[in-house]
Amino acid sequence: GENVEQHPSTLSVQEGDSAVIKCTYSDSASNYFPWYKQELGKRPQLIIDIRSNVGEKKDQRIAVTLNKTAKHFSLHITETQPEDSAVYFCAATPGGYQKVTFGIGTKLQVIP
Amino acid sequence: GAVVSQHPSRVICKSGTSVKIECRSLDFQATTMFWYRQFPKQSLMLMATSNEGSKATYEQGVEKDKFLINHASLTLSTLTVTSAHPEDSSFYICSARDLGHSTDTQYFGPGTRLTVL
Repeated sequence: GENVEQHPSTLSVQEGDSAVIKCTYSDSASNYFPWYKQELGKRPQLIIDIRSNVGEKKDQRIAVTLNKTAKHFSLHITETQPEDSAVYFCAATPGGYQKVTFGIGTKLQVIP
Repeated sequence: GAVVSQHPSRVICKSGTSVKIECRSLDFQATTMFWYRQFPKQSLMLMATSNEGSKATYEQGVEKDKFLINHASLTLSTLTVTSAHPEDSSFYICSARDLGHSTDTQYFGPGTRLTVL
């Protein structure tokens, strides 16, 4: 089955700096890679996703890159703000109705 | 985006009792829903895949007789924790995919915090 590794587990940055979270996956059949943000006690919210036929995707301050050959994908947050503080999960799936495998999560703290 | 609801949001029960959690897709149809369990400061662990009109598919190590799943319609799946024990205390979250779109995006419910005394 799929195995998703995520690091770092915790990340502290100063407000305005960039944050990068990295993930690797093991199953070459995976072709859809969503990123979720979860605030304490709340549901995970999709913030960005990328498919295997795309190398990079950007949405305002958030970007995701994918290296399918190396089975790496990363989340980049620029100009971080205190409200970006949360736990971020990467995930991978072959798509369709197959299950999604989540990384362990990264707790991001943005220091004002 | 698509909306998924869960009920109840919080439940406290005594050991040995059963608890039912409902997951509903409010504005779309979902042939497949997923049930996750999340312990504090940990990731989401898939428990089972709930399929409308058929038996659920359970992940390895998840007792199907303890965690009963029923997906009776395209908008409702239920998880029943039977003979609950304190170690079943956790945050249970469901998710669903929107049949009407080709996207693989999963939409999550708000979660149910179960405390077993």
